[in-house]
Amino acid sequence: KNQVEQSPQSLIILEGKNCTLQCNYTVSPFSNLRWYKQDTGRGPVSLTIMTFSENTKSNGRYTATLDADTKQSSLHITASQLSDSASYICVVIDLYNTDKLIFGTGTRLQVFP
Amino acid sequence: DGGITQSPKYLFRKEGQNVTLSCEQNLNHDAMYWYRQDPGQGLRLIYYSQIVNDFQKGDIAEGYSVSREKKESFPLTVTSAQKNPTAFYLCASSISAVINEQFFGPGTRLTVL
Repeated sequence: KNQVEQSPQSLIILEGKNCTLQCNYTVSPFSNLRWYKQDTGRGPVSLTIMTFSENTKSNGRYTATLDADTKQSSLHITASQLSDSASYICVVIDLYNTDKLIFGTGTRLQVFP
Repeated sequence: DGGITQSPKYLFRKEGQNVTLSCEQNLNHDAMYWYRQDPGQGLRLIYYSQIVNDFQKGDIAEGYSVSREKKESFPLTVTSAQKNPTAFYLCASSISAVINEQFFGPGTRLTVL
């Protein structure tokens, strides 16, 4: 069973709309949780990094939230743009094994005009 | 221009041939990583190196080999022993395995015919 589960697997929205992506994890205790954006055929790029004590972190139109009690994180995208079309990957770092990242399978977002 | 580079972007090989993927970084990072990405799966760790002349197997090391003779270089060889080598390969680096904020290269798509 994956230690990091993401939903939905894919999502289609219209330009200008908001959306929220979900990440549930079982890794415990964890050091930090990250969201990456990966354009098709490119390497992932970091959007946000949150430690277990942080509840929210923003990066422009991207806002990540973290509930360490329920082991859930979400990534909210505001006023979507065509360039937001990409895969969004949730990554968790095990506190006792920080040299390895645990990756979710990602959510594929498509933004249409 | 600082960053992490991978070459080539696309690579085609015949079944049974070994092939080496290049990964170079000029970020002065100690740690480097190789991942494999397949459709519908999270990134999986092949090998990682925390320091020059040292490397460790990741979760799916069988059929792969690496070397770390220089700090800035971490080539990956896909051998004929790898049963399903066709995939997207990503290289990453971080300041250290402890401060493990990884920066990814653009990736190499390997297709074995």
